[in-house]
Amino acid sequence: GNSVTQMEGPVTLSEEAFLTINCTYTATGYPSLFWYVQYPGEGLQLLLKATKADDKGSNKGFEATYRKETTSFHLEKGSVQVSDSAVYFCALGDSSASKIIFGSGTRLSIWP
Amino acid sequence: NAGVTQTPKFQVLKTGQSMTLQCAQDMNHEYMSWYRQDPGMGLRLIHYSVGAGITDQGEVPNGYNVSRSTTEDFPLRLLSAAPSQTSVYFCASSNLRVKNTEAFFGQGTRLTVV
Repeated sequence: GNSVTQMEGPVTLSEEAFLTINCTYTATGYPSLFWYVQYPGEGLQLLLKATKADDKGSNKGFEATYRKETTSFHLEKGSVQVSDSAVYFCALGDSSASKIIFGSGTRLSIWP
Repeated sequence: NAGVTQTPKFQVLKTGQSMTLQCAQDMNHEYMSWYRQDPGMGLRLIHYSVGAGITDQGEVPNGYNVSRSTTEDFPLRLLSAAPSQTSVYFCASSNLRVKNTEAFFGQGTRLTVV
């Protein structure tokens, strides 16, 4: 069945460091891929998404490219800020978006 | 814009008690779902619904019941709470008429069963 494997956390970085959080998936067909972010005490909110191969999603300086050949959707940011501290979830949606499957989440902590 | 509203935000139950977690959305979304979030396990789907009168089981349905009498509301019922149900619960909705759309989440309900 469909599944998402996400980089184990926690990840701790200094401000302005480069960030990569790895995400790979297993799916039949052509799923949509998402990154969600959860700030402390809040629900999940969509960070970015990509709906087909080679699409790049981007938002708030974060980027992720839908790589079908490597079944990956790694999250990157060139220069992180303290305000980026949160839990990040990679997720996969089927073509009808009737179900979304989440990875286990990666806790990111940024120190000034 | 209210979006997805969950109540209560926090709840402590004794083993064997019952309760209902409320979820309401004002976006006219057909699809609604309940997840539980446990440390190191991400979000696991409990139940979902693709429209009023239609519900189905997700990955971890045991111990939970749902119903969908209206498009707006999707309550989750714990009939006899167990300590294993201590978790954070999230309700989500999405618009099935828009291809590849994302899910919108509520703020969560933190449930502790003692």
